[in-house]
Parts: sequence; C-alpha cells; structure tokens
Amino acid sequence: GESVGLHLPTLSVQEGDNSIINCAYSNSASDYFIWYKQESGKGPQFIIDIRSNMDKRQGQRVTVLLNKTVKHLSLQIAATQPGDSAVYFCAERVRSGTYKYIFGTGTRLKVLA
Amino acid sequence: GAGVSQSPSNKVTEKGKDVELRCDPISGHTALYWYRQSLGQGLEFLIYFQGNSAPDKSGLPSDRFSAERTGGSVSTLTIQRTQQEDSAVYLCASSLQSTGTGVSYEQYFGPGTRLTVT
Repeated sequence: GESVGLHLPTLSVQEGDNSIINCAYSNSASDYFIWYKQESGKGPQFIIDIRSNMDKRQGQRVTVLLNKTVKHLSLQIAATQPGDSAVYFCAERVRSGTYKYIFGTGTRLKVLA
Repeated sequence: GAGVSQSPSNKVTEKGKDVELRCDPISGHTALYWYRQSLGQGLEFLIYFQGNSAPDKSGLPSDRFSAERTGGSVSTLTIQRTQQEDSAVYLCASSLQSTGTGVSYEQYFGPGTRLTVT
C-alpha cells in the first residue's frame, strides 16, 4: 500500500510511554473536532471526537483536550503500543455555507520497542 | 456490515485521459465526502453531498473535476483531461449526517483510489 506521511513531523515514543500529539486549528468558529488515525495504505480511521462546548473527552486509552483560547487540540495516547504507529490527523468542522471539514497535515507516530 | 468501498483501488492513466472513480457509501448514510491526499500531505476537501441538497463543490480544484451522486447512494468523481498534478490518493467518506444534534458526525473512510497520471 501507499506510504503515508513521508515528510510529516514525527513523534517517536517508547512502547509503554504516553504519547501527546498536538494540533493547531485555524477557525475560531469551528464547532466540532475529530482525531483520525491513518495506517499505510488505508483510509483514515476515527479515533475520538469533541464538541466545542467541551474541553476534555476520554475514550479507551485516548484523551482529547481542546483549548479554544489558543485554538489548540491535543491527543493523548496512554501506554502506547506498537499498533499505535500511524499518521494522526486532526480535523475541524467549519460552517462556510455548508459544513466542511479541514484536516491538519498530520503527525507520524513511531513506537519504539 | 460493509464499510465504504471504492473502485478501482489503483488507476494508472495517461496525461489527457479522463478517469472515473467510484464510491459506495455505507447504506443509510446521507452525507458523502470526497477528499484528495497527495503523498506526505493531509486531506484536501473536494466536494460534499448531503441528502438531496445541492452539493458543496467549493473544494474542487478546477472545472476538470466533477462529481455526482445517483439516488442518494453511489458517487462518481470524474477528472477530465488528467494532468500529472492530479496524481494522488482520492478518498471517499460517508456519515449518517453532517448537521443536527444528538447524532454522530463520524466519517467512515474508504480505502481510497490511488491515481497515477503518467
């Protein structure tokens, strides 16, 4: 399959450690945010979402934090595993006529054994 | 149940030819999106269909690109007179809907079509 994110910023994390992936979004009117995981040769896969009226949401091993003051979103992965190695994208939903999603450029997460 | 499917998975075409890319969304999903992903880049929004409303075509890069969605289900993205810069992975996604409260906006992505223009 195609290799995704050859020239993306890379975060290398030791297996078992926590990972924090950051994203700056562009539109202060965005009302909904999503984190996606994309493995090589596959389409993006939903991880977790958060609405703009929240500042934190937890899933299984993942937490998303939203700071609307500085337009910053982060994804925290607890006890990172080799299967977490992928490219991670954040996306914001904006209303410009209709709703559309704007994706960040992505961060490659490498889990070191 | 079946996820989003796209065909073909790979397409190699000569510059100047037309291509059609197909997307079969998840049954019952009213919203359908097309994105383009160039190597090492994020996703670029192309076009969005929501139910029977007129599509949002604001992301289409040129008039060589068009898309239609028949019967509120299958969608076809057509690129006319392909250029080398059109080479990318074209991703389709569908969701239950894109607006409203108390519903999931989660987009389910297909595996993509890798287009190579030689």
